[in-house]
Amino acid sequence: KQEVTQIPAALSVPEGENLVLNCSFTDSAIYNLQWFRQDPGKGLTSLLLIQSSQREQTSGRLNASLDKSSGRSTLYIAASQPGDSATYLCAVRPRFDGNQFYFGTGTSLTVIP
Amino acid sequence: KAGVTQTPRYLIKTRGQQVTLSCSPISGHRSVSWYQQTPGQGLQFLFEYFSETQRNKGNFPGRFSGRQFSNSRSEMNVSTLELGDSALYLCASRYDQGGYGYTFGSGTRLTVV
Repeated sequence: KQEVTQIPAALSVPEGENLVLNCSFTDSAIYNLQWFRQDPGKGLTSLLLIQSSQREQTSGRLNASLDKSSGRSTLYIAASQPGDSATYLCAVRPRFDGNQFYFGTGTSLTVIP
Repeated sequence: KAGVTQTPRYLIKTRGQQVTLSCSPISGHRSVSWYQQTPGQGLQFLFEYFSETQRNKGNFPGRFSGRQFSNSRSEMNVSTLELGDSALYLCASRYDQGGYGYTFGSGTRLTVV
């Protein structure tokens, strides 16, 4: 069974700082990996989707990388803003385990003005 | 393009009652998945439906059930509610092809008293 871990569980940074969130998974046989953002009490907003054949994806100030062989992904946020404060979740879709995504427990990010 | 719509947004029920939650996926998405999110357990997979058939099921008791209609709309039902069923219930839809990721709805907040 795929297990997904996110470290750190919480992170607090001053506005303008660049930061990296980490996601690790135990089984490298994946279709893809998706990063989400969740604001308190709300649903999940998709940020980036990386296919298993890709090394990275970029959207604005966000860059996600994937190293399938080592079971790791990182989400890089440049020039952080208070509006980036949220919980960030990564989800992995295994290649051989049905049609289910496995989620990490998330990193709670606070950007201090 | 309309997103994933979940109704109702909030529900308060009494122990022992039953509840039905609804999810309308993005037009063209035939795969619909349900997740339960609680502070202690994070996001846990309930089930996934495709073309009116349940394709995958998580580790939840039989009190949790679902169905999908011919227009891809899905409902989930929880019978004999328990206090521990209080959670945010999230629905996600996607194209049923290997490379596509999830789009989530805003969720239904269920409180059991």
